[in-house]
Amino acid sequence: GIQVEQSPPDLILQEGANSTLRCNFSDSVNNLQWFHQNPWGQLINLFYIPSGTKQNGRLSATTVATERYSLLYISSSQTTDSGVYFCAVVNTGGFKTIFGAGTRLFVKA
Amino acid sequence: SAVISQKPSRDICQRGTSLTIQCQVDSQVTMMFWYRQQPGQSLTLIATANQGSEATYESGFVIDKFPISRPNLTFSTLTVSNMSPEDSSIYLCSAQTGLGEQFFGPGTRLTVL
Repeated sequence: GIQVEQSPPDLILQEGANSTLRCNFSDSVNNLQWFHQNPWGQLINLFYIPSGTKQNGRLSATTVATERYSLLYISSSQTTDSGVYFCAVVNTGGFKTIFGAGTRLFVKA
Repeated sequence: SAVISQKPSRDICQRGTSLTIQCQVDSQVTMMFWYRQQPGQSLTLIATANQGSEATYESGFVIDKFPISRPNLTFSTLTVSNMSPEDSSIYLCSAQTGLGEQFFGPGTRLTVL
């Protein structure tokens, strides 16, 4: 099945810093989402982005489907950005969502 | 979008008992899924809940252990049967809209003693 790899696995930032999270996938996809799991366990939808670029406030994401990767940019990080960021994909022709292992982010005040 | 509620939000259960988790979506959705998230891990798909028919289980998960119902387009249940401490986990319900975007419920945190 499709493999989803996220990097880095862990990231510590000083408040105000910028960061880039990466998601590589091993096969073509027709669906890619980024989620943030907050410290209380709730999964929050960040982006539905099978291709192209989207921005939402301090967050933006780019997916280059032909090269099988997606990037999540966090600018001017805040302590509330802490948590785990997951990339999740549905490969072309399928319907099941497969999650990467996540990037655990901690933003220090 | 879809707003998903689950109950119970958490429970502590004794070994050998069963727990049924309910999932309600605020709108009709094409697909519903159940996931498990063990401490410090990513999400693992348990099964796809099919309306009016048997769920489709992933490798490593069986119907006798995790019976699932989906009587209509907006409601599903997952039962964790004959529980052991290894079943302690967060169980999450999710729904996928016709546009392909997936949303998650708040999860059920289960502890088995």
